[in-house]
Parts: sequence; structure tokens; C-alpha cells
Amino acid sequence: DAGVIQSPRHEVTEMGQEVTLRCKPISGHDYLFWYRQTMMRGLELLIYFNNNVPIDDSGMPEDRFSAKMPNASFSTLKIQPSEPRDSAVYFCASNTRGQEETQYFGPGTRLLVL
Amino acid sequence: AQKITQTQPGMFVQEKEAVTLDCTYDTSDQSYGLFWYKQPSSGEMIFLIYQGSYDEQNATEGRYSLNFQKARKSANLVISASQLGDSAMYFCAMREYTHSTLTFGKGTMLLVSP
Repeated sequence: DAGVIQSPRHEVTEMGQEVTLRCKPISGHDYLFWYRQTMMRGLELLIYFNNNVPIDDSGMPEDRFSAKMPNASFSTLKIQPSEPRDSAVYFCASNTRGQEETQYFGPGTRLLVL
Repeated sequence: AQKITQTQPGMFVQEKEAVTLDCTYDTSDQSYGLFWYKQPSSGEMIFLIYQGSYDEQNATEGRYSLNFQKARKSANLVISASQLGDSAMYFCAMREYTHSTLTFGKGTMLLVSP
């Protein structure tokens, strides 16, 4: 079975531009998580969805960030306008209810905002 | 207060030796799960091992075992017979069953030398 798929793997953009990160969760998983990883702050949960519905977006840094999940197999994280401090690795992860509920991570998107 | 504490920023071990990576946690929940992830230099987050709070036996997965001491609230990862490919960042995480999200520690960098 394919794991979590993220695209693009690398993104370099200029300050002020819109950035869209994409994620396809593991088929059958009904939870999807977006994380951001930086050296300073470590791994931070930005938002998570259950059955395509956003449950907790308290980790989203500000209004420049938005996330959607239009269907069970696709989610986007958008930054508009982007700023240099948004440079980080963005991970998507998914899981489903069960005894362990292990989250499986995608390969991440390395974002650099110049 | 931090929920997951990894006190070792870095660890060194020689190939073929065993190494223990420390993790302590803080929760008032009776039901929770503990996870270890590996992040090699390539950046992906790889799930290693899971321990449930009600599991009576320590979890094992190949060369990985989790030394779970519930009364001390510790969940140390033991890697036996270290290999060069074990050099990576290791993260401990906890999921309290009243929540759907993971809380991560800051990580321990493990370097395995020949």
C-alpha cells in the first residue's frame, strides 16, 4: 500500500508569493495532520482533520495559513502571502482510529521563502 | 510544563553496541500511547515502535525495544547491536486517548561510529 504522498518535495519561492502544499493520505485513514518542523521550534502541529472536517486549527500561526480537505484523499496547506520565517519542512501524516493509532508521515515538503 | 522530555540532545555509540535513548512523559490520563520515530538525514519521519499504557510487556520490534516504566513515566528506546544506518534523530511522542494528536519531544541525535 502506498504511504502518505506529499508534493512538491521542495519549494523555493519569493516573499509575498502564494505557496500550496499537497497531501494524499493513506487510503482508509480518516485522520489527517499537518505539521511544521523548524530547528527553533521542533515539530509543531498546525491543524488536523477527521473525516475531512477541520477539528483543531489552533496551531495555525496566522491568517496567512489555510488548510482544506475537499475529500478523503486530498488535502492542501496554503500560505498566502509567504514570508521568510515560513521556511521549514512541512509534514502531512495520517492515521485511523484503533488501538495504536500510529501516525504515518509523508516525506515532507522543504519550503524556502527568499 | 513539557509533556515529553528527551534530556539527551546527542548520543554517541560504537557500531554493534547497544544504546538507550531516554524519554520521560507527563500525563494525568490513565490511557495513553507512546511512540518512537526515527528521522534520518534524508528527513522522513519513520515510525519505529509503539507502547500502550495498559500493555504489560515491553514492546519490541526487531532491534528496537521500549523500556516502559509506568510508575516513573519513562519510555526509553533501546537499540541493540547499533548499525551505521541507525545514525539519525530520534523522537519520542505521546498520544493521550482523550486527544487525537501526538505531542513530540525535542529529539535526540544519535551518531553511530565504526
